[in-house]
Amino acid sequence: DAGVIQSPRHEVTEMGQEVTLRCKPISGHDYLFWYRQTMMRGLELLIYFNNNVPIDDSGMPEDRFSAKMPNASFSTLKIQPSEPRDSAVYFCASSLGTQYFGPGTRLLVL
Amino acid sequence: KNQVEQSPQSLIILEGKNCTLQCNYTVSPFSNLRWYKQDTGRGPVSLTIMTFSENTKSNGRYTATLDADTKQSSLHITASQLSDSASYICVVTTSGTYKYIFGTGTRLKVLA
Repeated sequence: DAGVIQSPRHEVTEMGQEVTLRCKPISGHDYLFWYRQTMMRGLELLIYFNNNVPIDDSGMPEDRFSAKMPNASFSTLKIQPSEPRDSAVYFCASSLGTQYFGPGTRLLVL
Repeated sequence: KNQVEQSPQSLIILEGKNCTLQCNYTVSPFSNLRWYKQDTGRGPVSLTIMTFSENTKSNGRYTATLDADTKQSSLHITASQLSDSASYICVVTTSGTYKYIFGTGTRLKVLA
């Protein structure tokens, strides 16, 4: 298996633009997690799904953030409108017990 | 308040030496504790996961301990290598609602 796949790997956008991050989990994994990591706040869990159903979205910062998992092999994290403080590395992870992280998407909002 | 505190914040050691990283938590109800290694520019990689009943678990040169009574965990690295240079993150999960509480990590630098 190729592991967790995230795209894009890097994203630079202007404030106010919509940003969509994508994740393909490892086949067969029933949990999917979205994380954000910054120097100031460290690693933060934003939301996680079990069998495509959102279980806990209490980490989502505000209504500008939304996540979907339309099927077992795909998830998106959308930020609309984006702000400079959203600049961070966003990780997706999938799990059947142990979590496996993707390489991350480095987002810079100017 | 659920919290996970790690110490030291950063550590520099010479190659071949041993070191121990600490994780103290005030998380309740406790489900499990995980240690992750994160290389610069990469996603975290799971090293160990321990439940309430486990007090030690090894993964190669990495050995994690858990004292559920004192709510302390440690990660011991034996015979350090240059490739051990990374951030090490302690994460405690609550039972029931499965909240993930993250420590801020320890940055380890191994010098030749």
